[in-house]
Amino acid sequence: DIQMTQSPASLSASLGETVTIECRASEDIYNGLAWYQQKPGKSPQLLIYNANSLHTGVPSRFSGSGSGTQYSLKINSLQSEDVASYFCQQYYDYDTFGAGTKLELK
Amino acid sequence: QVTLKESGPGILQPSQTLSLTCSFSGFSLSTSGICVSWIRQPSGKGLEWLATICWEDSKGYNPSLKNRLTISKDTSNNQAFLKITSVDTADTAIYYCARNGAISHYFDYWGQGVMVTVSS
Repeated sequence: DIQMTQSPASLSASLGETVTIECRASEDIYNGLAWYQQKPGKSPQLLIYNANSLHTGVPSRFSGSGSGTQYSLKINSLQSEDVASYFCQQYYDYDTFGAGTKLELK
Repeated sequence: QVTLKESGPGILQPSQTLSLTCSFSGFSLSTSGICVSWIRQPSGKGLEWLATICWEDSKGYNPSLKNRLTISKDTSNNQAFLKITSVDTADTAIYYCARNGAISHYFDYWGQGVMVTVSS
């Protein structure tokens, strides 16, 4: 099984700040990685797929990068509506998710 | 417009079989390359992929739960189903269905989720 290690578990940032969340896979996942945003009481929403492709309708302040076993999600100019939990998912071999990052406003 | 909606029993007792239904619109499970998956999330915790069924009836299961899971579909009625046998309290969670592609297995549309509680 491919394990996904996501960091940090929680994050506090100010409006307008740039935030980075990382996921490390236990083996090469060849860019088979997606990022999701989940607000309290809601279902996850796709942000990024194939490591760096922005899903339709997602604001351009979200971006994804990485390769091999190391991937990151960057949020530029943090907005209040970005307060949420974020999960990575590898889909190179079956599907496994990271444990999540809870993003709060400072 | 793609929508998915889960339905289930709400509460069931340990050792029973959980039956879930995903009703969807805006796409067809007879379209080449389209799949529907089930994912669950215990309260306050992370996401766990359970199973996937695709347009040509191929199926995939989480290896850690494979012996307890059965996924199926009714293409004509735009529904997918999941059965989980021998449930216990660890199966208490919100259960989501989601659409994904057969090759790039990310989930582009999700249902609202249905809460399932296993309790005696």
